[in-house]
Amino acid sequence: KAGVTQTPRYLIKTRGQQVTLSCSPISGHRSVSWYQQTPGQGLQFLFEYFSETQRNKGNFPGRFSGRQFSNSRSEMNVSTLELGDSALYLCASSFQGFAGELFFGEGSRLTVL
Amino acid sequence: LAKTTQPISMDSYEGQEVNITCSHNNIATNDYITWYQQFPSQGPRFIIQGYKTKVTNEVASLFIPADRKSSTLSLPRVSLSDTAVYYCLVGDPLGTGFQKLVFGTGTRLLVSP
Repeated sequence: KAGVTQTPRYLIKTRGQQVTLSCSPISGHRSVSWYQQTPGQGLQFLFEYFSETQRNKGNFPGRFSGRQFSNSRSEMNVSTLELGDSALYLCASSFQGFAGELFFGEGSRLTVL
Repeated sequence: LAKTTQPISMDSYEGQEVNITCSHNNIATNDYITWYQQFPSQGPRFIIQGYKTKVTNEVASLFIPADRKSSTLSLPRVSLSDTAVYYCLVGDPLGTGFQKLVFGTGTRLLVSP
């Protein structure tokens, strides 16, 4: 059974640019959630999508957005990048929300220069 | 929101039992406690989840006292490969509580020969 796949694994952007990250969940999983991980703030919840609808949202500015497609694949977008957006962005999938186990991908490491 | 507190780091030797405690004084009635393990440059991996008393699986045990204000992850006979960061996560697993998910700061466990 294939795991959660995140692309790209590494990317470098400059301030003001935008970035799109992709997440392919485990087959059959309808919930995809996104997290930002930084040394200073730790793991923070960004948002969760379930059946193409954003169901939950963390406390991040509107520059952070996402969407989910009919095949459950999800993308997140960060516009007008700031230096502080440098982080490891993780996505996790589950069959239905947080019940039980979240399956995380290996993450996309974003560096903003 | 249930804030969690964990020790920043712990050291152990191969073959020893390791107990990592997480404090979550404001845990809500519907919240479960989940522990994840994370290796460098990888996403977190589910270890164990519980609501009260004791839960055991093939890799760990989770002890939760009656007041549920803390929990202890117990790793029996650790090996070098258990060197990782361990996160305590408190949240409502009923599928709609993502925005209330609170990750602990993580405990960096170093296992030496």
